Amino acid sequence: DAGVTQTPRHEVAEKGQTIILKCEPVSGHNDLFWYRQTKIQGLELLSYFRSKSLMEDGGAFKDRFKAEMLNSSFSTLKIQPTEPKDSAVYLCASSQLGGQDTQYFGPGTRLLVL
Amino acid sequence: GEQVEQLPSSLIVQEGASVLINCSYTDSASVYFPWYKQEPGKRLQFIIDIRSNMERKQNQRLTLLFDKKTKHLSLHITATQPGDSAIYFCSASINSGTYQRFGTGTKLQVVP
Repeated sequence: DAGVTQTPRHEVAEKGQTIILKCEPVSGHNDLFWYRQTKIQGLELLSYFRSKSLMEDGGAFKDRFKAEMLNSSFSTLKIQPTEPKDSAVYLCASSQLGGQDTQYFGPGTRLLVL
Repeated sequence: GEQVEQLPSSLIVQEGASVLINCSYTDSASVYFPWYKQEPGKRLQFIIDIRSNMERKQNQRLTLLFDKKTKHLSLHITATQPGDSAIYFCSASINSGTYQRFGTGTKLQVVP
């Protein structure tokens, strides 16, 4: 098992562009999480899916951030339109039992918005 | 909502020393507390966890202490090695239907 995979690993976007980040969770895991990681804010939850259903949408990130999980083995995070303040590392994680279980993290996508 | 705080935010120690990382949370309904480590350039990885019905858990050089009354956890690392240099994150969750809230992280640097 390759663990959680994320693509691309790096992304550079112009302000106003649309970008789509991709994640494949660990096979058999029911829960998938998207986080944004910055030095100042730390780890911020963007979205949480359980068995493909959206459980949490990260409040403050609703307007330009949209995560989808069309099947149990693939998720996308769309940022539209991008702003320079979106520059961060975006992490995907999966687990079997949500908050009560170890999360397995992907390597992250480093996004730079110019 | 739940707030998770860690102290110190960073520390530098000599190889072989012991370190203590403190974590506090606000929601008394939290029952599960996993800790993760992020080495430079690597992904976050789970290192140890504890549930609210326990007071202490040990995994090799890591000891995790939990005080339900004060809503406080401490991660003790003994005989530190340069490979322990990383950012350590504490987290807390209420139940399986919710997500884990993460602390702000403690950056540990172990110098030879």
